[in-house]
Amino acid sequence: EVQLVESGGGLVQPGGSLRLACAASGFTFSSYDMHWVRQVVGKGLEWVSVIGTNGNTNYPGSVKGRFTISRENVNNSLYLQMNSLRAGDTAVYYCVRGAYSGMDVWGQGTTVTVSS
Amino acid sequence: DIQMTQSPSTLSASVGDRVTITCRASQSITSWLAWYQQKPGKAPKLLISKASNLESEVPSRFSGSGSGTEFTLTISNLEPEDFATYYCQQYNSWTFGQGTKVEI
Repeated sequence: EVQLVESGGGLVQPGGSLRLACAASGFTFSSYDMHWVRQVVGKGLEWVSVIGTNGNTNYPGSVKGRFTISRENVNNSLYLQMNSLRAGDTAVYYCVRGAYSGMDVWGQGTTVTVSS
Repeated sequence: DIQMTQSPSTLSASVGDRVTITCRASQSITSWLAWYQQKPGKAPKLLISKASNLESEVPSRFSGSGSGTEFTLTISNLEPEDFATYYCQQYNSWTFGQGTKVEI
């Protein structure tokens, strides 16, 4: 079964850091682009980052310079290092597999709360 | 940055209705558009890729069309399980539309 399982969410103070992890199984992890997408409760979806099969990365302006996506193909793992966290980063964070023209497999999400 | 605008934001419908959701891109994205369905408390599900390609196991009452800057998602013969929020996404730089909630 193709599966993505996120972990690492929690409560962090403004200005703090958090590292999310995603464990992939059931497919050849190294062959896919991988994304992080977040969603504020009750609001829409926001793409957060992508890492290609070649290790190239991209971010929207809202997180660029604060968030770093990385992958370990040997462990079938995806990571998101989040620094200088703000209240506006509070959201459910999804690990997502990128297919040819869509995001075809989603994890269940992990909740990040930035609050003092 | 490419902006995606969905309309309407909310759509009231009944079982058996045909509904159409529109998504407009701020510049041409050719056919690089996907549609997702999200139910409360669940992760989104990919319904349609490349504007009109139905993903496997997605019912044929769902269809997508369009290219360039204007796209539509149509659900014919609405079923109870179709009441959900739908998002478009352009796949050049992965921006999502703001979502359309289909409610009773």
